[in-house]
Amino acid sequence: NAGVTQTPKFQVLKTGQSMTLQCAQDMNHEYMSWYRQDPGMGLRLIHYSVGAGITDQGEVPNGYNVSRSTTEDFPLRLLSAAPSQTSVYFCASSYSTSGHNEQFFGPGTRLTVL
Amino acid sequence: GQQLNQSPQSMFIQEGEDVSMNCTSSSIFNTWLWYKQDPGEGPVLLIALYKAGELTSNGRLTAQFGITRKDSFLNISASIPSDVGIYFCAGQNSGGSNYKLTFGKGTLLTVNP
Repeated sequence: NAGVTQTPKFQVLKTGQSMTLQCAQDMNHEYMSWYRQDPGMGLRLIHYSVGAGITDQGEVPNGYNVSRSTTEDFPLRLLSAAPSQTSVYFCASSYSTSGHNEQFFGPGTRLTVL
Repeated sequence: GQQLNQSPQSMFIQEGEDVSMNCTSSSIFNTWLWYKQDPGEGPVLLIALYKAGELTSNGRLTAQFGITRKDSFLNISASIPSDVGIYFCAGQNSGGSNYKLTFGKGTLLTVNP
């Protein structure tokens, strides 16, 4: 298994540009989520999905869209990038076993918005 | 929303020393998780705790789920240079379709050889 994969690893955007961060997992996990990590802020939840066709907002959803058309993929879209979205973005996936859900993280995408 | 306070923010220790860090919450969780993040990488799960009072070890790492369900502790014994990184606690009220994690802000560990 490749686990959780994210592309690209690095990206530089200009203010107002749009882009999609890709996330895929090959573990048949039902739950997937996106976090952003900023210095001194820890990891904050942007959006999450509990299964194909189901998404919901996390703690910091503004400026981001998601969709979940398949179990494997959970892309994160920035419609009009802003400098405040400069961050490291992590995708995670999780399975449920005996009611416990342990999340596995991808390697991250480092985004700079100029 | 739920808040996690993780301390200390950073630690500078000598190789061979023991390390302790903790997380406290304003509300209860039924699961506590501890992650480590190496520079340029994503967080990796170290230990998962599912029961109040539970004490779990993973090699030189030991973590405890506080009896009040509002705190957790991580200890690292006999530290080595590869222990360097950021350690995060995370609380979860798992079960059913609830998968959301609340993270602490992390403890940056530096180990001097």
